[in-house]
Amino acid sequence: EVQLLQSGAEVKKPGESLKISCKGSGYSFNSYWITWVRQMPGKGLECMGIIYPGDSDTRYSPSFQGQVTISADKSISTAFLQWGSLKASDTAIYYCARHARMGATLSYTDSWGQGTLVTVSS
Amino acid sequence: EIVLTQSPGTLSLSPGERATLSCRASQSVSSSHLAWYQQKPGQAPRLLMYGASSRATGIPDRFSGSGSGTDFTLTINRLEPEDFAMYYCQQYGSSPNTFGGGTKVEIK
Repeated sequence: EVQLLQSGAEVKKPGESLKISCKGSGYSFNSYWITWVRQMPGKGLECMGIIYPGDSDTRYSPSFQGQVTISADKSISTAFLQWGSLKASDTAIYYCARHARMGATLSYTDSWGQGTLVTVSS
Repeated sequence: EIVLTQSPGTLSLSPGERATLSCRASQSVSSSHLAWYQQKPGQAPRLLMYGASSRATGIPDRFSGSGSGTDFTLTINRLEPEDFAMYYCQQYGSSPNTFGGGTKVEIK
């Protein structure tokens, strides 16, 4: 069974750094792109960027370029999303999701993590 | 990037009725690379449809999708109580993938 297990909720202050994780299991983690998705409180879904764990090829959506860093460690089947300096506007639920088609950058997502709630407040 | 506009924002219906959700793209979605997701409060989105009209594994046949180019539709026949939720369309035909703003299907 394909599973994506995300790290737990975080409460941070503005200006702090943060790295959240998404661990895949039940499939060949290296061979499927992972998408990170933001959902701000009461709002819709936004694609932040994608990463191919096999070689760490990463693509960012224009709105998120320079705002976050996406990375992966294939040795532990885990993808990461990190911030260098958090803002209150980063408060959201962040989901990782697996692309359904092996090796395809352009694909729908068929498995989602449970989400990580990040709260940034002074 | 392709902008997806979903309508209506909210659909108020009774169990047993049919729901028709629209997703319009700002430019043509290549190869009908359009997916639909359902999201319930406190849960991650769940894939319903892909390729505009193919049901994902385990999705009941009361859900159907249609459309091409810039206009797509998700139809839910005979609404069940568990179908009341948010629905999002997503295009994956061009980078970056983008989502629509969502349609809430609520109990009337």
